[in-house]
Amino acid sequence: QKEVEQDPGPLSVPEGAIVSLNCTYSNSAFQYFMWYRQYSRKGPELLMYTYSSGNKEDGRFTAQVDKSSKYISLFIRDSQPSDSATYLCAMVKAAGNKLTFGGGTRVLVKP
Amino acid sequence: GAVVSQHPSWVICKSGTSVKIECRSLDFQATTMFWYRQFPKQSLMLMATSNEGSKATYEQGVEKDKFLINHASLTLSTLTVTSAHPEDSSFYICSARVPLAGGTDTQYFGPGTRLTVL
Repeated sequence: QKEVEQDPGPLSVPEGAIVSLNCTYSNSAFQYFMWYRQYSRKGPELLMYTYSSGNKEDGRFTAQVDKSSKYISLFIRDSQPSDSATYLCAMVKAAGNKLTFGGGTRVLVKP
Repeated sequence: GAVVSQHPSWVICKSGTSVKIECRSLDFQATTMFWYRQFPKQSLMLMATSNEGSKATYEQGVEKDKFLINHASLTLSTLTVTSAHPEDSSFYICSARVPLAGGTDTQYFGPGTRLTVL
């Protein structure tokens, strides 16, 4: 069993809809959580990071962490075709450790 | 935000030749950089951790004599694929460790290098 599980998709939504992404993890030692966006043939781009349970908002993006359930989510409001990309969750046990990535979810926002 | 560059962005080489890929932190110093490999429609696979001034730490199954890593300065790490073969064709991405508020750190990634070995 992988330490971090993420549905590969593809997830197809109409423009303007809310995109809902999530990852589950098995190791309670993970303390810090990140979401990256990766366009085709580009390097991943850090979108958000959080380290406590609850919600964190940044523009159209909301990151949610539930440590008791070992579950994290990313919501994208008012989705745009430019949001079409692969979204990777990543987590780390402590500062200085390696990142553990989910497999990525491919998102397609149709105009 | 922190900017990481990679050069070249795309390289085609003949089987048996060596290829060097550069990774630079443009506006900050990076004592630790990472090298990843990514196959189509797959997630990132960590190859090695590169620490400035010391030997790289390779992940299990990665041949250190084939993938030479040098981190000679705080802004530059290089990956050399020696005697490349078609199975080495892949997307290579570097990243640099950057501290974050809250006592943790994250990685900022370069744009990647697409290697095609004929």
